[in-house]
Amino acid sequence: AQSVTQLDSQVPVFEEAPVELRCNYSSSVSVYLFWYVQYPNQGLQLLLKYLSGSTLVKGINGFEAEFNKSQTSFHLRKPSVHISDTAEYFCAVTLSGGYNKLIFGAGTRLAVHP
Amino acid sequence: DGGITQSPKYLFRKEGQNVTLSCEQNLNHDAMYWYRQDPGQGLRLIYYSQIVNDFQKGDIAEGYSVSREKKESFPLTVTSAQKNPTAFYLCASMDSALVNSPLHFGNGTRLTVT
Repeated sequence: AQSVTQLDSQVPVFEEAPVELRCNYSSSVSVYLFWYVQYPNQGLQLLLKYLSGSTLVKGINGFEAEFNKSQTSFHLRKPSVHISDTAEYFCAVTLSGGYNKLIFGAGTRLAVHP
Repeated sequence: DGGITQSPKYLFRKEGQNVTLSCEQNLNHDAMYWYRQDPGQGLRLIYYSQIVNDFQKGDIAEGYSVSREKKESFPLTVTSAQKNPTAFYLCASMDSALVNSPLHFGNGTRLTVT
């Protein structure tokens, strides 16, 4: 069965600094990978997704992620964060297009400080 | 604007009472999902429905029930059999006609049982 590990539960960073949120997955077959963002007391919004093709995926709000098959990773990056990026970020994986099997990581809380 | 509406935003109940959480979508999506979110655990799938009058158990269905009598509505009942019902509940939908279309989430209902 597939699983997702988000290696940091919290990441503090100063405004305008770069940030990387780490995500590793385990699966014996090909996967689709996603990053979602959740602002306080709200639902989740899709940031970006990797289905196939280019391993560098660009998403909304200036975020991007790189799929690394050999390291089974899908780390999320942003070169310069804003206060408004403070939120919880979830990595998710599925084996197929069926979202009934979308497995979420435990989340990483990004705190951007002035 | 199209979207998913969950109500109420906050819900308080006494232990031993059943409670029903509402989820309505006007996106014309076939598939709908209920997730439970607990701190540090990510999202876990409770139930999902891919078509009207049909639904399947997710990973943590015990103590919950659902119905799907209309395409736009997917209410979740938290029964007295659910041992730890206090949590944040998220409803989501997807256009299953599109390959790998994203999940759309509501803003959640925070249930507190005392």
